[in-house]
Amino acid sequence: KNEVEQSPQNLTAQEGEFITINCSYSVGISALHWLQQHPGGGIVSLFMLSSGKKKHGRLIATINIQEKHSSLHITASHPRDSAVYICAVSPDSNYQLIWGAGTKLIIKP
Amino acid sequence: DVKVTQSSRYLVKRTGEKVFLECVQDMDHENMFWYRQDPGLGLRLIYFSYDVKMKEKGDIPEGYSVSREKKERFSLILESASTNQTSMYLCASSFGTSGTNTGELFFGEGSRLTVL
Repeated sequence: KNEVEQSPQNLTAQEGEFITINCSYSVGISALHWLQQHPGGGIVSLFMLSSGKKKHGRLIATINIQEKHSSLHITASHPRDSAVYICAVSPDSNYQLIWGAGTKLIIKP
Repeated sequence: DVKVTQSSRYLVKRTGEKVFLECVQDMDHENMFWYRQDPGLGLRLIYFSYDVKMKEKGDIPEGYSVSREKKERFSLILESASTNQTSMYLCASSFGTSGTNTGELFFGEGSRLTVL
């Protein structure tokens, strides 16, 4: 069993839909990261969070430390949101991040 | 804006050649990382550095070495390139203390290496 699991692996939705991507982990962490990678592009950090909720524009990330679970939400999705979304965790007292496999999101116009 | 700059976006090398990939960050970050990204395998850590002249092996260090002589610069070296090192190489940096990874990650654009 992977220490960081994302679901779904692939997601196709229509423009305007509300999107949820989930990340579950099994280790103690100091922080959880959500990152985005467009096709052929570099990786961009979206959020780093250790508790509660953060919001940037149409993106919202939440984390429940007790349940070891985080969600990334996209409101009013747009084709430019099409990308791979990656969850990664920073384990306690360890520099090595543990990476999820990524969720490939396609938003159709 | 934080910037992580990788020296080459695309490289083509021949088997046995020595390859240098350079990464420079301008945010005074302690931590710097080299990853490779391959389809279906995700991101795999090659080497990590948490301070000048300090380095730690990641998950797949074989065939690679690194150098960090200055805080802002982290170089990845392939002493003798092989075809199985054809990949996308990504450099990242973050703030951190005492070998921990407490900061947001910033990635370079990536260097796509093809070894013929």
